[in-house]
Amino acid sequence: NAGVMQNPRHLVRRRGQEARLRCSPMKGHSHVYWYRQLPEEGLKFMVYLQKENIIDESGMPKERFSAEFPKEGPSILRIQQVVRGDSAAYFCASSTDRAPTGELFFGEGSRLTVL
Amino acid sequence: AQSVTQLDSHVSVSEGTPVLLRCNYSSSYSPSLFWYVQHPNKGLQLLLKYTSAATLVKGINGFEAEFKKSETSFHLTKPSAHMSDAAEYFCVVSALTGGGNKLTFGTGTQLKVEL
Repeated sequence: NAGVMQNPRHLVRRRGQEARLRCSPMKGHSHVYWYRQLPEEGLKFMVYLQKENIIDESGMPKERFSAEFPKEGPSILRIQQVVRGDSAAYFCASSTDRAPTGELFFGEGSRLTVL
Repeated sequence: AQSVTQLDSHVSVSEGTPVLLRCNYSSSYSPSLFWYVQHPNKGLQLLLKYTSAATLVKGINGFEAEFKKSETSFHLTKPSAHMSDAAEYFCVVSALTGGGNKLTFGTGTQLKVEL
């Protein structure tokens, strides 16, 4: 049973380009969360999605960032016109719809470097 | 609102000696508390979780934590450190709301284990 799969593991972009990060949740999980980890900091919540729905995007920057979790395929975090401050590790986590203990399963992260 | 404070950003111990990583929490709800470990360039692995059952929680790799409501603490301990324990440790609080399992992370404690 594969865990949460994220790709690419490493991504380098120049300022102004677009970054697309993909996340396939664990089998049977319908809830996806994206977190960002800046250097020397803990993880910060960005967005929570269920299939075809954004449930909570209170942690998403107002501009340039978007996320989706389509009916088919992985969840995608999209960052348009990247800037150096977007350089970070982006982690995806998933859970079942019956996770009474709040436990999330994390992927290994996608590390974005903006030149 | 919920938050966690990890009192030490860096802890250094000798191999074979006890480990203590401190965490205090604040939560408006009855919290679920977790400790996650992150090895370099890896994802996060759940060490243990507290979900209002026994206050002393045992996790993987010999770690345990005690929930103390009167002190709002959830410190992580291990009787004898091993070199492989060197990693970053995150104390995490979760409050299940309509917004899902939104976890709030501490800033992390880097554990160094010396020979």
